[in-house]
Amino acid sequence: GQNIDQPTEMTATEGAIVQINCTYQTSGFNGLFWYQQHAGEAPTFLSYNVLDGLEEKGRFSSFLSRSKGYSYLLLKELQMKDSASYLCAVMDSNYQLIWGAGTKLIIKP
Amino acid sequence: NAGVTQTPKFRVLKTGQSMTLLCAQDMNHEYMYWYRQDPGMGLRLIHYSVGEGTTAKGEVPDGYNVSRLKKQNFLLGLESAAPSQTSVYFCASSPQQRYHTGELFFGEGSRLTVL
Repeated sequence: GQNIDQPTEMTATEGAIVQINCTYQTSGFNGLFWYQQHAGEAPTFLSYNVLDGLEEKGRFSSFLSRSKGYSYLLLKELQMKDSASYLCAVMDSNYQLIWGAGTKLIIKP
Repeated sequence: NAGVTQTPKFRVLKTGQSMTLLCAQDMNHEYMYWYRQDPGMGLRLIHYSVGEGTTAKGEVPDGYNVSRLKKQNFLLGLESAAPSQTSVYFCASSPQQRYHTGELFFGEGSRLTVL
């Protein structure tokens, strides 16, 4: 079966760095996505990786290793507004998105 | 620019009642999706559409029907609601899937409770 694993919850301190991991087993691979979802709101797109390596976008970076079935989202200079759930999703060989359950990130002052 | 709009935002139903959720997008996107989101689980695809007049089943289609009569609208129907359908429903759209990043644009969600 297809599976996306990510930690359920993480806690970090304002101003620090946090890394959220995602491992996947899917039928084929056509890209990996990270979305941010604040409580009670819709998911919003953060990043897309289809090739191995690091993609940087401001304070957020996303890394992909296709051979290991592994990705991480790196958040730097954490702000209170970064408190949210972070969803990892993989597009499989049928171009369908398979979603992880999300990682709830709690930022403490 | 409204993006993706869902109505209603909240609804309480009794078991056996029917209802329709409406999704409208103003971005001229070809693809539209209906997902449900439950605690501790990833988003699960109910039905999707790759263009006007077409629909297809997703991962959890049972108990739901959909229609895409106009490109901008995607309707999700529950013919006989069950407590297991209590969830938050998200509509999403994208320009296309293949040869594109596949980024989805989500509506604000519709919280449905079935008693």
